[in-house]
Amino acid sequence: DPKIIQKPKYLVAVTGSEKILICEQYLGHNAMYWYRQSAKKPLEFMFSYSYQKLMDNQTASSRFQPQSSKKNHLDLQITALKPDDSATYFCASSQPGLGEQYFGPGTRLTVL
Amino acid sequence: GEQVEQLPSILRVQEGSSASINCSYEDSASNYFPWYKQEPGENPKLIIDIRSNMERKQIQELIVLLDKKAKRFSLHITDTQPGDSAMYFCAANYNTNTGKLTFGDGTVLTVKP
Repeated sequence: DPKIIQKPKYLVAVTGSEKILICEQYLGHNAMYWYRQSAKKPLEFMFSYSYQKLMDNQTASSRFQPQSSKKNHLDLQITALKPDDSATYFCASSQPGLGEQYFGPGTRLTVL
Repeated sequence: GEQVEQLPSILRVQEGSSASINCSYEDSASNYFPWYKQEPGENPKLIIDIRSNMERKQIQELIVLLDKKAKRFSLHITDTQPGDSAMYFCAANYNTNTGKLTFGDGTVLTVKP
C-alpha cells in the first residue's frame, strides 16, 4: 500500500489558472515537504512544515501556497499558472529534524 | 552557501565493476547526507545515508564515505548490476530545524552487461 499519496498523478492546466496538488502521508511523520523537479533544476526544495507549521520557504513567488488541513496532509495551491511552472512536484515526509525523507510518487504538472 | 556539487553527471561502467559518485558541499554545519536513486518516471528512493558522526557506512553493495574536513562525501557501488542503472542524487541537510535538503544535479549511471 502506498504510504504517501499524491493526487493527481498527471495534471494539465492552462496559463493563468489555479490548481491544487494533494499530498497525504500515512507514515506517522510530523514533517512534510514539497520539492520540484524539472529539466532546469533536478530536485529543488520548496517548503517544509513541521507539526503543521511552516518552517522554511524557498519559493520566491507567493503564487505557491502550501495548505495543511490535517497533520498528515500538505497540499500545494498554485495560482496564476505559468508554462515555467511545468514540472514534477514531489511531496516528502520525515520525522522533524534529521529524519530520513521519503518521497511520494509525484504530480506531473504541464502548463499550456 | 548551500550548493551541492555532484560529479560526474554521466557514468558508464561494466557489469561487475565499481561505480563512484562524488559530492561536495559548502556549509560545514551540514550534518546529514542522504543518497537517492531515481528510475525513469519514478520518485527518488532513499538508498543510504550518513550522518556527520560517521566516516563510513555500508549497506550491502553500497558504501558511503564522508570527509568532513574536505566537505566531501561519496557513494561507491561495488559489483554493479544492470539493475543499478538509474539517476543518483546526493543531498545535504543545511538546516537541522527545517529539514531542508539541497540536492546535487544528479548522476546518470549506466551499467553495461
